[in-house]
Amino acid sequence: ETGVTQSPTHLIKTRGQQVTLRCSSQSGHNTVSWYQQALGQGPQFIFQYYREEENGRGNFPPRFSGLQFPNYSSELNVNALELDDSALYLCASSRRGDYGYTFGSGTRLTVV
Amino acid sequence: AQSVTQLGSHVSVSEGALVLLRCNYSSSVPPYLFWYVQYPNQGLQLLLKYTSAATLVKGINGFEAEFKKSETSFHLTKPSAHMSDAAEYFCAVSDQGGYQKVTFGIGTKLQVIP
Repeated sequence: ETGVTQSPTHLIKTRGQQVTLRCSSQSGHNTVSWYQQALGQGPQFIFQYYREEENGRGNFPPRFSGLQFPNYSSELNVNALELDDSALYLCASSRRGDYGYTFGSGTRLTVV
Repeated sequence: AQSVTQLGSHVSVSEGALVLLRCNYSSSVPPYLFWYVQYPNQGLQLLLKYTSAATLVKGINGFEAEFKKSETSFHLTKPSAHMSDAAEYFCAVSDQGGYQKVTFGIGTKLQVIP
């Protein structure tokens, strides 16, 4: 079975710009969650998508938004980038009702 | 609100020694509990999970954890450390039911000394 793949692996953006991160979920998984992991911290929940709808959201502002597509892949969009948005962004997929994520390797975003 | 507290941001053990990584949880409802491992520049890998079946949970790579409700703990152990166990370990909690939001601790970096 294929795992979770994320692209790009690294990205450098300027403050104020917009960024789109992509994630392909593991085969058979229908739920996608996004996490932000700042340096030296545990992952922080951004939001989760199920059946192409946002199904739960953490303490992140509206400039963090997402999409889930019919094939269960997903995008994370961040507008008006701030320096504090620099982090590793992790995508995790799962089957609804089956606890235990499969994580991708992440996208390292640096905002300068 | 659910949360986990990992005691010790850094733990060092000698190769072959017991590994013990501590985690205490807080949850207003029966929790699901997890341990994940993260190697440098990689995503997280599920080691094991407790979902209200057996309280002693065995995972991959020889790790196990015991759910103790009276102590609100879910400590991770391995009888004999291997050099390849050097990584960062995250304890995590999720409510049963509802959507599957998982809340992570801040992590414990395990160093294995030859």
